[in-house]
Amino acid sequence: SQKIEQNSEALNIQEGKTATLTCNYTNYSPAYLQWYRQDPGRGPVFLLLIRENEKEKRKERLKVTFDTTLKQSLFHITASQPADSATYLCALFSGYSSASKIIFGSGTRLSIRP
Amino acid sequence: NAGVTQTPKFQVLKTGQSMTLQCAQDMNHEYMSWYRQDPGMGLRLIHYSVGAGITDQGEVPNGYNVSRSTTEDFPLRLLSAAPSQTSVYFCASSRGGSSYNEQFFGPGTRLTVL
Repeated sequence: SQKIEQNSEALNIQEGKTATLTCNYTNYSPAYLQWYRQDPGRGPVFLLLIRENEKEKRKERLKVTFDTTLKQSLFHITASQPADSATYLCALFSGYSSASKIIFGSGTRLSIRP
Repeated sequence: NAGVTQTPKFQVLKTGQSMTLQCAQDMNHEYMSWYRQDPGMGLRLIHYSVGAGITDQGEVPNGYNVSRSTTEDFPLRLLSAAPSQTSVYFCASSRGGSSYNEQFFGPGTRLTVL
């Protein structure tokens, strides 16, 4: 069956360091992948999208990589700040049509300590 | 521009009761969807719609009905509530006819079924 895993439930790092979150998948061939941020009691907020033919995408302090050989996406936050503390979700999409299947990971809760 | 709105924010039901969760968006998005979020399980797609008059099932549709009579509204109906439907429900929308594009999520409805 299709499976998506985010490296750990929780990740704690020191302010200023780079946070790296992992999204692994099996039995799936995603056409593209999205990363979302979710704060407690709120809906997810879109951050980045990366397509299967793209190796890397950047947006300000955020960077996403997509390795279809390793079946893995890495999400990096450089120069992390306490305000970056949140749960981060990855979502994989099987295609580009309206019938595309979407699967969300369960999320990684990131805590940045001052 | 309110984005995606959901009502109510909180709801307690007794087993067997029915109710409708409301969702509306003012961005003229064609694609709308409903998810449920349970601890450790990530977001799971219940139903989705690619435009007015068109709906389809997602991963976990049993016990839920939807309709899409207008572009703006996408209500989710619980026919006969069960404790297993205790969850946080999110509505989302995106432009175009697919979830391919950035999804905008509502603030969620926290439902408890006793």
